[in-house]
Amino acid sequence: NAGVIQTPRHKVTGKGQEATLWCEPISGHSAVFWYRQTIVQGLEFLTYFRNQAPIDDSGMPKERFSAQMPNQSHSTLKIQSTQPQDSAVYLCASRQGWGNTGQLYFGEGSKLTVL
Amino acid sequence: GEQVEQLPSILRVQEGSSASINCSYEDSASNYFPWYKQEPGENPKLIIDIRSNMERKQIQELIVLLDKKAKRFSLHITDTQPGDSAMYFCAASEEGNYKYVFGAGTRLKVIA
Repeated sequence: NAGVIQTPRHKVTGKGQEATLWCEPISGHSAVFWYRQTIVQGLEFLTYFRNQAPIDDSGMPKERFSAQMPNQSHSTLKIQSTQPQDSAVYLCASRQGWGNTGQLYFGEGSKLTVL
Repeated sequence: GEQVEQLPSILRVQEGSSASINCSYEDSASNYFPWYKQEPGENPKLIIDIRSNMERKQIQELIVLLDKKAKRFSLHITDTQPGDSAMYFCAASEEGNYKYVFGAGTRLKVIA
């Protein structure tokens, strides 16, 4: 089991450019989450999918952020017109089964730097 | 929505002493409270959790206490070791909602 795989590990973009981050959850996990980690805010919830369906995107900045899960092995987080305040580590996590309990398995994260 | 406050943000303790991290939550519907440890350069990993039908849970040197009435829960690390130095996050989750709402984190430094 390779765990949750995130690519790229590091991405540097210029202000106003687009950034796309990829996540491959653990096979068989039905829930996929995206979090953003910064020193000031800690782990901020962005969005999650259950069986590929978007369930809650209440943490997403609506204008420029979007997330998709086109199949059970792949999710993407896209940030349009990136701004310096978008600089953070974006963590994808997956969890097995239904309900609100159980271990979240995090990926290594994608560190986004917006110049 | 749920909000979780975590204190302190930084904690320094002597090796062999105890460390305590406190969290509070707002939504009385929250019923699951996990703790995650993140070592430098690593991703967060679950170390202990507690459900609302319990008041206390212990795994080796880790103790979690839950006070539902006060909406507070805490992590206590007894006999701290240098390997306990890390960032710790508490979280809360309510039944029927998949997401975990995390606190801002506590950076624990165990001094030898």
